[in-house]
Amino acid sequence: DAGVIQSPRHEVTEMGQEVTLRCKPISGHNSLFWYRQTMMRGLELLIYFNNNVPIDDSGMPEDRFSAKMPNASFSTLKIQPSEPRDSAVYFCASSSVDSPQPQHFGDGTRLSIL
Amino acid sequence: SQQGEEDPQALSIQEGENATMNCSYKTSINNLQWYRQNSGRGLVHLILIRSNEREKHSGRLRVTLDTSKKSSSLLITASRAADTASYFCATSTSGTYKYIFGTGTRLKVLA
Repeated sequence: DAGVIQSPRHEVTEMGQEVTLRCKPISGHNSLFWYRQTMMRGLELLIYFNNNVPIDDSGMPEDRFSAKMPNASFSTLKIQPSEPRDSAVYFCASSSVDSPQPQHFGDGTRLSIL
Repeated sequence: SQQGEEDPQALSIQEGENATMNCSYKTSINNLQWYRQNSGRGLVHLILIRSNEREKHSGRLRVTLDTSKKSSSLLITASRAADTASYFCATSTSGTYKYIFGTGTRLKVLA
C-alpha cells in the first residue's frame, strides 16, 4: 500500500513567487493534515480536512496561505506571494477518522524562499 | 502554544542502553501518541495510548501515561544505532481529530 505522497520533495524559489505543494493521501483515509516544521517553532498544524472539507484552518499563518482538497485523493497548499520566512519543511499527513488513529506522514517538501 | 513538551531536548547513549523520554502536556487529553522522525523523513507512528490506559508495550517500546501529572514517558530498551532519531509526543483532546505535537527529543545512539 503506497504511503502519503508529496511533491515536490524540494522547492527553491524567489520571494514573491507562487508556490504550490501537493499531497496524495493514503487511499481510504478521510482526514488530511498539513503541517509546517521549522527549528524555531517545531511542528505546527496549519489546516486539516475531514471528508474533503476544511474543518480547522486556524493554524494558517496568513491570507497568503491557502489549501484545497478537491477530492479524496488530492490536496494542495499554496503560498502566494511567498516570503523568505515561509522557508520550512511542509508535511502532509492522512488518517482514518474512525476512533483515534495514527497519522501517516509523507516525507515532506523542503521549501526555500530566497 | 504547543501542548506537549518533551524532555530532555537531546539524549546521547551507548548502544544496548535504555533510553527514556518524557512528555508533559497542559490540558486534559483523549489520547497520546508517540512518533519517530529520522533525518530528512516524515514522522512515523510508534504507539498510541488512550487516556484510560496507564501502560502499553510494543516490542522494545514501553509507554506510560499519568493523567494526574499530565505526563507520559517513552522507554526504548536495548537501544540500537538505528534508533537514532527525533521522538515526538502528540496529544488529542476529546471531540477533535487534531493532534498537537511536542517539541521533540533528539536521541543519538552510539555504536
